[in-house]
Amino acid sequence: DAGITQSPRHKVTETGTPVTLRCHQTENHRYMYWYRQDPGHGLRLIHYSYGVKDTDKGEVSDGYSVSRSKTEDFLLTLESATSSQTSVYFCAISSTGGGPYNEQFFGPGTRLTVL
Amino acid sequence: GNSVTQMEGPVTLSEEAFLTINCTYTATGYPSLFWYVQYPGEGLQLLLKATKADDKGSNKGFEATYRKETTSFHLEKGSVQVSDSAVYFCALSGFSGGGADGLTFGKGTHLIIQP
Repeated sequence: DAGITQSPRHKVTETGTPVTLRCHQTENHRYMYWYRQDPGHGLRLIHYSYGVKDTDKGEVSDGYSVSRSKTEDFLLTLESATSSQTSVYFCAISSTGGGPYNEQFFGPGTRLTVL
Repeated sequence: GNSVTQMEGPVTLSEEAFLTINCTYTATGYPSLFWYVQYPGEGLQLLLKATKADDKGSNKGFEATYRKETTSFHLEKGSVQVSDSAVYFCALSGFSGGGADGLTFGKGTHLIIQP
């Protein structure tokens, strides 16, 4: 199994509070991704990183920011959490970043509930 | 843009039945296609992949063939087991020209196998 951990695994917070989720990898892969999983939507890309300090927006980036100061860590921050951000968040990594061999390996997920 | 359509289910089958989960896609160019599986409470695991037309991906008795003429990548298994109960996601990786490519997922198919 790819060495990907996410923390915390579960979190309950209140509307308006800031929340940071962490993804840590031991594979030294260049590319990292954050997705959210919601019933009826599958997984949707929030942000991704193609190197240290290199990040870009995905399909559903509003209300989220990311940072990557080290190859192994990719942080997702909800600046002011809202109930619509209640979801399961998955981190993924890839060695190729795109094209025909863009296999992505997923972490175990973080279940976030915003009350 | 890219999109993936798959039957959502739940799909309920008896053990040893034949399984087909349909997946069709819309994409520019020649995407790579993937099937991921998610067991309860876990992250996504790559089940199989195909990178070009007419390729057949296979793993653990599951198969899928990349059909460009019908833009399809249907998942099949000849004899399902109770342990195959999970959510199955069809996904594609395109070529965005950006720093990296996220995967585009279908909404997932919940498969239930009864003894």
